[in-house]
Amino acid sequence: EVQLVESGGGLVQPGRSLKLSCLASGFTFSNYGMNWIRQAPGKGLEWVASISSSSSYIYYADTVKGRFTISRDNAKNTLYLQMTSLRSEDTALYYCARHRDNSFDYWGQGVMVTVSS
Amino acid sequence: DIQMTQSPASLSASLEEIVTITCQPSQDIGNYLSWYQQKPGKSPQLLIHSATSLADGVPSRFSGSRSGTQYSLKINRLQVEDTGIYYCLQGYSAPTFGAGTKLELK
Repeated sequence: EVQLVESGGGLVQPGRSLKLSCLASGFTFSNYGMNWIRQAPGKGLEWVASISSSSSYIYYADTVKGRFTISRDNAKNTLYLQMTSLRSEDTALYYCARHRDNSFDYWGQGVMVTVSS
Repeated sequence: DIQMTQSPASLSASLEEIVTITCQPSQDIGNYLSWYQQKPGKSPQLLIHSATSLADGVPSRFSGSRSGTQYSLKINRLQVEDTGIYYCLQGYSAPTFGAGTKLELK
């Protein structure tokens, strides 16, 4: 069974940093591209970042470019999102999702990030 | 960035009714279109990928189609468990989601 479990969220002050993790199981992690998608409270879905299976290709939404860094450790079956210079508008539920057939076929349960003083 | 215009924003339908939700991209995206269902407090679930392909385990009453540059999700014979918010997503370039369609039972 494919499972994606996010962790590392919490309450953080504006301007500070936070690192999210997504532990994958039930599939060969190193064969799949992965993504972070977020959802602000009561709002729609926003893609944040993508990374290819071997980390050769990395893409970011304009809203986080230069502040967020996506990475992965295939030996640990883990996806990361390093978030710096956090803003109130980054407050959201962050999901990791597996990429397949130009879609996101499995999603984690999400981890909440709240940016507030 | 490619914008996805999704309609309607909300929809109220009766059991067994046929429901259609559409998405219109701001430029050509080929078949790089997928559909998701999100229920309250839950993660989104993939329904359709590549515009018309049913995802694993998804009931056959869900279907996707493309007519020119317009993409549609159709639900045949609406069931109680189909309520929720539906999103389209284009994966042709930097992924963008539609604004969502809230589907309720009448």
